[in-house]
Amino acid sequence: EDKVVQSPLSLVVHEGDTVTLNCSYEVTNFRSLLWYKQEKKAPTFLFMLTSSGIEKKSGRLSSILDKKELFSILNITATQTGDSAVYLCAPVVHQFYFGTGTSLTVIP
Amino acid sequence: GAVVSQHPSRVICKSGTSVKIECRSLDFQATTMFWYRQFPKQSLMLMATSNEGSKATYEQGVEKDKFLINHASLTLSTLTVTSAHPEDSSFYICSAPWGGPHNEQFFGPGTRLTVL
Repeated sequence: EDKVVQSPLSLVVHEGDTVTLNCSYEVTNFRSLLWYKQEKKAPTFLFMLTSSGIEKKSGRLSSILDKKELFSILNITATQTGDSAVYLCAPVVHQFYFGTGTSLTVIP
Repeated sequence: GAVVSQHPSRVICKSGTSVKIECRSLDFQATTMFWYRQFPKQSLMLMATSNEGSKATYEQGVEKDKFLINHASLTLSTLTVTSAHPEDSSFYICSAPWGGPHNEQFFGPGTRLTVL
């Protein structure tokens, strides 16, 4: 059975802190892994990772995939209150199975 | 990026009635769309894969007779919750991949269903 686990489940930090969110997966026929940010409604796309060891970066966010160890991390540096959201990872097999999510709260 | 719309955004209905939710890809074609359900403080749970021109593929535990999916065209998929009950109250979100079923997913804004 395919399994996706994110950790921590929730996290509270102060503005300016750096956070690392983890996503581990056990799926068959892995194709890629996507990260999403969900605020009030639908998730918004952050990254798509297909190759191990290649960091993807967008502003203060970055992500990397390890296909050997079956995990990915999402880093956010210099966090801001606007980063408060649920972050979801989704390894792509034939469909998208979302992880449990990490709820991030950034306090001013 | 690509745009996916959902309608209605919010619906309140009585127990026993049926509710139809539409998902449209506005500026691209999608042979595949996905329907998710999300309970408060939980992640998205894939319910089914909607396939244009063929039957939907349902995830284990999802009743196909209760959640009817029709992929009427390359830009429209509908989810009908039949004989809705209060336990069906949830947030329903659709998504459509752009450029192939395993590519980036664009999500609709979601539909909040409340069954009284």
